[in-house]
Amino acid sequence: GAVVSQHPSWVICKSGTSVKIECRSLDFQATTMFWYRQFPKQSLMLMATSNEGSKATYEQGVEKDKFLINHASLTLSTLTVTSAHPEDSSFYICSATVPGLAKNIQYFGAGTRLSVL
Amino acid sequence: AQTVTQSQPEMSVQEAETVTLSCTYDTSESDYYLFWYKQPPSRQMILVIRQEAYKQQNATENRFSVNFQKAAKSFSLKISDSQLGDAAMYFCAYRSASGGGATNKLIFGTGTLLAVQP
Repeated sequence: GAVVSQHPSWVICKSGTSVKIECRSLDFQATTMFWYRQFPKQSLMLMATSNEGSKATYEQGVEKDKFLINHASLTLSTLTVTSAHPEDSSFYICSATVPGLAKNIQYFGAGTRLSVL
Repeated sequence: AQTVTQSQPEMSVQEAETVTLSCTYDTSESDYYLFWYKQPPSRQMILVIRQEAYKQQNATENRFSVNFQKAAKSFSLKISDSQLGDAAMYFCAYRSASGGGATNKLIFGTGTLLAVQP
């Protein structure tokens, strides 16, 4: 199956700093990637849809200036948490849609645990 | 708006036995996809099985099968011959097929935590 790589797997940062999370499609080109946030023992909450070469589409209630998404190439999307605070601590997951016949399937990265001190 | 409901927060099954996880959804669309994803303790989301709404035949993948009832908007997952490695959180998800589907988001249920007893 398709492989989506997410880096880093765990990051600890100080309050007020910015953190960048990378999501790469390793063996396919992904025109669309998705970013989710997951709190412990809860479901995945979609934050935004990332489209290559255009601005991301954010879900209602997600701060665009807080969570910057860049999808500059067909294999890379990044999520930057700006001026992180303890309440931003969470598990962030990206996914990508495989083009072609399997275009309805999303494959997920392994996730990034963000801890803001 | 579409919604997905999983009414069983937790389930337990004995090893080698069969268990069924429930999922219902609400939509006014006629063309869509349904999925079951597994999230083990590693938190890596793994696709278990998918179903196209236009197909009447229930999808099967080895020990995993679904009971898709389109009129009832029900999509349950049956795990046969349960194994210890099946222990995980299971999420039911819906995806619209409108506009080709590739850019459409997944709508997840709240999940069912499955424990497998040896």
